[in-house]
Amino acid sequence: KNEVEQSPQNLTAQEGEFITINCSYSVGISALHWLQQHPGGGIVSLFMLSSGKKKHGRLIATINIQEKHSSLHITASHPRDSAVYICAVQETSGSRLTFGEGTQLTVNP
Amino acid sequence: DVKVTQSSRYLVKRTGEKVFLECVQDMDHENMFWYRQDPGLGLRLIYFSYDVKMKEKGDIPEGYSVSREKKERFSLILESASTNQTSMYLCASSFWGTQYFGPGTRLTVL
Repeated sequence: KNEVEQSPQNLTAQEGEFITINCSYSVGISALHWLQQHPGGGIVSLFMLSSGKKKHGRLIATINIQEKHSSLHITASHPRDSAVYICAVQETSGSRLTFGEGTQLTVNP
Repeated sequence: DVKVTQSSRYLVKRTGEKVFLECVQDMDHENMFWYRQDPGLGLRLIYFSYDVKMKEKGDIPEGYSVSREKKERFSLILESASTNQTSMYLCASSFWGTQYFGPGTRLTVL
């Protein structure tokens, strides 16, 4: 069993829909990261959070430490949001990350 | 803005060749990482370094070595490339936990 599980693996939505991507983990962590990877490979960090909720534009990330679960929400989705979204956990012992397999999101116009 | 650059976007090598992948960051970060990314497996850590001349094995170090002679530069070396090392290789540096990724090198070993 992977230490970090994401769901769904693939998600197709219509423009404007509200999107949720889920991440569950099984280890103790100091922080959880959400990353975005566009076609061509470049990865950018969206959020790093250790408790509660963070918001940036149309993106919202939440984490429940007790349940070892995080969600990434996208409001009013747009075709430019199409990308792979990756959840990663930073274990309490250091700076290295353990990654989920990613969620491929496609938003159709 | 933090900038992480990798020496090549695409690379084609032959089995048995020695391959060098270079990564340079311009923000004086202490931590640097090498990952490979394969379909269905996600990102996997090969090696990381937390200071000059310091290195730690990641989850899949076999067949790879690394070098960090200067703080800004972290090199990944494939001593004798094999076809199962065909992959996307990504370098990252980090500051206070946030990782900054390079654009990736897609390596094909024939």
